[in-house]
Amino acid sequence: DAGVIQSPRHEVTEMGQEVTLRCKPISGHNSLFWYRQTMMRGLELLIYFNNNVPIDDSGMPEDRFSAKMPNASFSTLKIQPSEPRDSAVYFCASSLEQKRRELFFGEGSRLTVL
Amino acid sequence: GENVEQHPSTLSVQEGDSAVIKCTYSDSASNYFPWYKQELGKGSQLIIDIRSNVGEKKDQRIAVTLNKTAKHFSLHITETQPEDSAVYFCAASRGGSQGNLIFGKGTKLSVKP
Repeated sequence: DAGVIQSPRHEVTEMGQEVTLRCKPISGHNSLFWYRQTMMRGLELLIYFNNNVPIDDSGMPEDRFSAKMPNASFSTLKIQPSEPRDSAVYFCASSLEQKRRELFFGEGSRLTVL
Repeated sequence: GENVEQHPSTLSVQEGDSAVIKCTYSDSASNYFPWYKQELGKGSQLIIDIRSNVGEKKDQRIAVTLNKTAKHFSLHITETQPEDSAVYFCAASRGGSQGNLIFGKGTKLSVKP
């Protein structure tokens, strides 16, 4: 199995630009999570989907952030417009809903907003 | 709101020594406590977890203890090896939802040969 695939691995952009991060969960998993990791705040849950439906988006910082999951094999996290304080590593994770909800993380997308 | 405190933020040990990382949580409804290991440039991987109905769980050199009364849980690594060097995150479920986790800020463990 290829695991959770994220793209791009690294992105450098200028303030005000739109950023789109992509995630392909493990085939057969029905839950998908977007996390943001910074030195100051650690790993923060932004939003998670169950069966492609957003369940909890209370962690999304503000309206500049949006996430979609149009089908079971693809999700995007969009930031528009981006700001320097959005610089972080963004992780996508997926899991199979079962008694043990092990999260399988992708390798992350490191975003730098200048 | 709910939070998870993790200590220490960095830990350096000699190969063969033990390492202990401690976490406290605030949500009394939390019932699932996993530990994840993040190696440099990679996503985190689950290494061990414990549910609220047990006080201790062991898997080879790794053990986790849970004290629900005090709301704290700990990771113990014995006979540490250089490949144990990584960032370790504890987490607690948000209420009874095992899929919705609150993570600690991580502990960077360095094992010196």
